[in-house]
Amino acid sequence: AQSVTQPDIHITVSEGASLELRCNYSYGATPYLFWYVQSPGQGLQLLLKYFSGDTLVQGIKGFEAEFKRSQSSFNLRKPSVHWSDAAEYFCAVGAADDYKLSFGAGTTVTVRA
Amino acid sequence: DAGVIQSPRHEVTEMGQEVTLRCKPISGHNSLFWYRQTMMRGLELLIYFNNNVPIDDSGMPEDRFSAKMPNASFSTLKIQPSEPRDSAVYFCASSSLGGELFFGEGSRLTVL
Repeated sequence: AQSVTQPDIHITVSEGASLELRCNYSYGATPYLFWYVQSPGQGLQLLLKYFSGDTLVQGIKGFEAEFKRSQSSFNLRKPSVHWSDAAEYFCAVGAADDYKLSFGAGTTVTVRA
Repeated sequence: DAGVIQSPRHEVTEMGQEVTLRCKPISGHNSLFWYRQTMMRGLELLIYFNNNVPIDDSGMPEDRFSAKMPNASFSTLKIQPSEPRDSAVYFCASSSLGGELFFGEGSRLTVL
């Protein structure tokens, strides 16, 4: 069975500073990996996804993530955060032959001025 | 294109009442998912449908919960009778095979 661990429950970062959110997954085959963002009172919105190919993927809002098979990780990064990046971020893993995604518990990001 | 549409956005009801949440998935998507989100338990998958057929309902909490998908463009999640511990945000999402999930904006349920 697939599973996702997001080790950090809450991260506080200053506006303009860099951000990295950790995600580790457990899956026997090649995973499909996703990062979603949820702003308060909203649904989840896809930031980026990895299916195959280049292990560094670019997403919306200036985010990127790198798939590292040797570390079973798919960490999300942004070079310079904006106050609007304050939200909850979810990592998820799926598979080509399955409809289900397994979500991590989420990381809440607070941005201070 | 319209995204996943959920209704109602907010529902406040009293314990014991029946609650029905509705979802219209994105046209052409053949999978539909119901999730529940709470502070304590995070995002939980309740049930998912493929081509209108329930595939996995192992996440449905108990018999008070039921879900139907009578056609490709509509699904309901029903709670009868409702209890205060059912208070949560319920999300509907749809996808195609192996693809990303598209989420609705959620239905916030408060059971008094």
